[in-house]
Amino acid sequence: DTGVSQNPRHKITKRGQNVTFRCDPISEHNRLYWYRQTLGQGPEFLTYFQNEAQLEKSRLLSDRFSAERPKGSFSTLEIQRTEQGDSAMYLCASSLGGGRITEAFFGQGTRLTVV
Amino acid sequence: GQQVMQIPQYQHVQEGEDFTTYCNSSTTLSNIQWYKQRPGGHPVFLIQLVKSGEVKKQKRLTFQFGEAKKNSSLHITATQTTDVGTYFCAGGSSYGGATNKLIFGTGTLLAVQP
Repeated sequence: DTGVSQNPRHKITKRGQNVTFRCDPISEHNRLYWYRQTLGQGPEFLTYFQNEAQLEKSRLLSDRFSAERPKGSFSTLEIQRTEQGDSAMYLCASSLGGGRITEAFFGQGTRLTVV
Repeated sequence: GQQVMQIPQYQHVQEGEDFTTYCNSSTTLSNIQWYKQRPGGHPVFLIQLVKSGEVKKQKRLTFQFGEAKKNSSLHITATQTTDVGTYFCAGGSSYGGATNKLIFGTGTLLAVQP
């Protein structure tokens, strides 16, 4: 399967714990995005990378959230000291980008439940 | 910040009826994309519109991009049960001459009764 892969698919954690999610984009895609989606809402932009550089991070994102994309390949999203409000589906997408954005391919997502 | 709204939030139709969802942005967009998300699934790309006033068709689906590049619409003719899902528009946000991220709309959930 050459699509976007996310792991784990589901994560249940206790409030206050740290969690880390992984995203493997389509191999030739230089852009990688993280979105968060709650029930009945559209995907909310969190951050994006062009190659290994994190070019933008949502102002809505607290300092507890950090993302990396070492070597411009896979990416990780870490949430420290999780809160119940962090419960959501975390979606990763990748695309080819230079100037204008192109089609974004989404992974299946990681569903986080904070108890 | 930039906001993208869609109406209606929910639409229930009888199979064979038409359906339209409207997308409005608070700012001018460089481009607009449309995605479909089935229940329990992830967003899947349908189409991208770039030019002011552009109209594109995919079988029973017709997509339009407004003249001012601030609104868009998706029209489905003669809906089928396979059309069920949430339809999102996503506006391209420009910075430094490049479109860097997609801002998703609030979505329209379509239910089709056989």
